[in-house]
Amino acid sequence: DIQMTQSPSSLSASVGDRVTITCQASQDISNLLHWYQQKPGKAPKLLIYDASNLEAGVPSRFSGSGSGTDFSFTISSLQPEDFATYYCLQLNIFPFTFGPGTTVDI
Amino acid sequence: EVQLVESGGGLVQPGGSLRLSCAASGFRFTDYYMDWVRQAPGKGLEWVGRIRDKANSYITDFAASVKGRFTISRDDSSKSLYLQMNNLKTDDTAVYYCCSLADGFWGHGTMVTVSS
Repeated sequence: DIQMTQSPSSLSASVGDRVTITCQASQDISNLLHWYQQKPGKAPKLLIYDASNLEAGVPSRFSGSGSGTDFSFTISSLQPEDFATYYCLQLNIFPFTFGPGTTVDI
Repeated sequence: EVQLVESGGGLVQPGGSLRLSCAASGFRFTDYYMDWVRQAPGKGLEWVGRIRDKANSYITDFAASVKGRFTISRDDSSKSLYLQMNNLKTDDTAVYYCCSLADGFWGHGTMVTVSS
């Protein structure tokens, strides 16, 4: 199975901060990586698909990059509604695997 | 508007069975691969399995943790997705989400509790 590692596991930030999360795959997954945001008690929400494509309706402060095994996700200017847990997900090889998540809080 | 609505969750004893349903609307269900994802209380997300579309013979894939115990089926005529869970274990306790991972469609989830 492909292992997905995310770092950091949690971070504290302030409104307006630039936040970057990294995700590393244990083997090449091309660009088949998505980024999800999840708030407590809610279903995950797709933000970035295929490593760098912004999902329709998602604010442009969110961005993603990378290919192969190393990926990053950035929030350029953190907003109050962005405090949540973020997961990467590889969809290249079965079984699909999520990263362990990064919790962004104040 | 895309909607996925799960139902069928509840409390079941270890070794028991449960069938989850998911009603889809707002998109061409027949053309989409569909997934089940679960989340144990306070834990991260875990992919459970996928069913392909008719053009790909409704082939299914599963996580090792549920293979041989869970099956996925679909009824394209009623735009419904199903997860049959047999020989349930306490570790299967989770919120189960119906979704299309490739396209970002998710339901609100249904809770399954396996406990004696």
